[in-house]
Amino acid sequence: AQKITQTQPGMFVQEKEAVTLDCTYDTSDQSYGLFWYKQPSSGEMIFLIYQGSYDEQNATEGRYSLNFQKARKSANLVISASQLGDSAMYFCAMREGALNTGGFKTIFGAGTRLFVKA
Amino acid sequence: NAGVTQTPKFQVLKTGQSMTLQCAQDMNHNSMYWYRQDPGMGLRLIYYSASEGTTDKGEVPNGYNVSRLNKREFSLRLESAAPSQTSVYFCASSEGTTDTQYFGPGTRLTVL
Repeated sequence: AQKITQTQPGMFVQEKEAVTLDCTYDTSDQSYGLFWYKQPSSGEMIFLIYQGSYDEQNATEGRYSLNFQKARKSANLVISASQLGDSAMYFCAMREGALNTGGFKTIFGAGTRLFVKA
Repeated sequence: NAGVTQTPKFQVLKTGQSMTLQCAQDMNHNSMYWYRQDPGMGLRLIYYSASEGTTDKGEVPNGYNVSRLNKREFSLRLESAAPSQTSVYFCASSEGTTDTQYFGPGTRLTVL
């Protein structure tokens, strides 16, 4: 069963507008973490924002915020005031159970490609 | 502070050849990871190392081996490359509090 679902393969947004990228997850763990990463066309993976499962407030980092709805198991990324440089692939990821020899398992969604129009 | 570095950036191999992808981090992280990214897919974990001296298999380990040389370095070896291993390979390291992973720039590998 897919643990991280990103249902929007591609999204368009007008420059300076806000956009929401959807992410739903599935886990039976009580303690987990949710991440968003950006992958521009140059290929590197850039960490954007983190939300812990016990965090009561939604995480924010500059123009990025994470709309965390625990009961619905969703962790949508909101980008405010889109810029041309926001055009990229965006991946939602979830850290859940511990791995055999320590550390944690992080699972990535298939990604959403965002196009920002001038 | 370079973060996570990977070499090489690009590589073309013939089927059956071997090679080692190098990864190093200077953030004093305990955990390191190797992922592969195929078109239209997210990242899949190949191997990981939770601390110096330990390694373990991830989701897609077949055809790969790893070595955690010291706390800084974690290498991935393809013993006999196959076309199915054509992919982009990312190394990452993580810090303990949130286990946020920080990635290297990736290695684009083509196996002919």
